Amino acid sequence: EADIYQTPRYLVIGTGKKITLECSQTMGHDKMYWYQQDPGMELHLIHYSYGVNSTEKGDLSSESTVSRIRTEHFPLTLESARPSHTSQYLCASSEYGAGYQTGELFFGEGSRLTVL
Amino acid sequence: AQSVTQLGSHVSVSEGALVLLRCNYSSSVPPYLFWYVQYPNQGLQLLLKYTTGATLVKGINGFEAEFKKSETSFHLTKPSAHMSDAAEYFCAVSRYGGATNKLIFGTGTLLAVQP
Repeated sequence: EADIYQTPRYLVIGTGKKITLECSQTMGHDKMYWYQQDPGMELHLIHYSYGVNSTEKGDLSSESTVSRIRTEHFPLTLESARPSHTSQYLCASSEYGAGYQTGELFFGEGSRLTVL
Repeated sequence: AQSVTQLGSHVSVSEGALVLLRCNYSSSVPPYLFWYVQYPNQGLQLLLKYTTGATLVKGINGFEAEFKKSETSFHLTKPSAHMSDAAEYFCAVSRYGGATNKLIFGTGTLLAVQP
């Protein structure tokens, strides 16, 4: 069982509100990721981090921001939520892999955001 | 650029029947391929992965997949479906980029198992 936790699981908020989705892992993994998931679409990588104080934007442009101050914590923030931000956000982590090896991704249960 | 294509967004089988979920990949370098499963209201869980070596890979819950380079395929199979297999299944390919190894996911296949 993966030790990666996301809160809140479900969030309904009004337009213009600031929200933070929390993600924590207890496995000591260096790499962490945020994916956005919409029905019938592939999971899109929106942010990733390969260690403390290192963050990069993913393939899908997102108005959200992330921070990585501690290894175990990788929160995602939306300064002003809009209905277009309605989606499921999945956090994941993996061990550092050398060369072309890709470690297994461990996923949290997701945060489903609805912006009215 | 690497990508995966999952044929069939919805697949329905009867309990006890063969499960076959299709995945084709595109990669300019030897790929690393994965199948993940997502049960309702949960995150994704790794079913199996192919990196190097044996092309027939066995995973959890009786699933297996075969890497066929000539067909650029990595189809997922299970000989006999159970009701508990009903879930969404995602195929993914790895992409090496900088210090991170990122996965590229397909659009998913929703498997329904009829009694």
